[in-house]
Amino acid sequence: EAQVTQNPRYLITVTGKKLTVTCSQNMNHEYMSWYRQDPGLGLRQIYYSMNVEVTDKGDVPEGYKVSRKEKRNFPLILESPSPNQTSLYFCASSPGTGTGEQFFGPGTRLTVL
Amino acid sequence: QQQVKQSPQSLIVQKGGISIINCAYENTAFDYFPWYQQFPGKGPALLIAIRPDVSEKKEGRFTISFNKSAKQFSLHIMDSQPGDSATYFCAAISSGGYQKVTFGTGTKLQVIP
Repeated sequence: EAQVTQNPRYLITVTGKKLTVTCSQNMNHEYMSWYRQDPGLGLRQIYYSMNVEVTDKGDVPEGYKVSRKEKRNFPLILESPSPNQTSLYFCASSPGTGTGEQFFGPGTRLTVL
Repeated sequence: QQQVKQSPQSLIVQKGGISIINCAYENTAFDYFPWYQQFPGKGPALLIAIRPDVSEKKEGRFTISFNKSAKQFSLHIMDSQPGDSATYFCAAISSGGYQKVTFGTGTKLQVIP
């Protein structure tokens, strides 16, 4: 089944404790992105990647890091989480051609205390 | 700064009625306009999309109307059903290289029996 998977789905952590949210896709897509979803703000792009070892900042990159060492994986790293990073996070992949349809993962709800 | 403005924030429609969600954009480089549908606990999924050289696109009960001169587009859901209750996001994409997606803030639709 073609899908984007994220882990964990739920995470409660404390300020300053480094964490990683994993994302994997099995559709051989070139492009992958991370978004955060907050009430009243919609989906805002954090980082995106056009291919292996090629990443760039989205609209809200502060406090986040990413890496793309393999085509299928695109982890999101919060090296020192803060309460304002409490949010719902989505990973998405796209073939990058044609319609540019984004395929979203199920989301990770993160709470930083 | 929100490049795609979406309204209303929430909408209640009776079963069988027409649901209308509006979006406006500023960046004339946008050339692809998808709508995403999100059910609670799920990631967004592509519903319907349009290119600016077309003024209207219909798929079943869902229609996009596009006004290029006004830089506005809207989603119409005909014969709205309780199963349509979800959050809807408009989006805009500027192609050429990476297809960066800018989302609206979302509309929570509730269809009541």
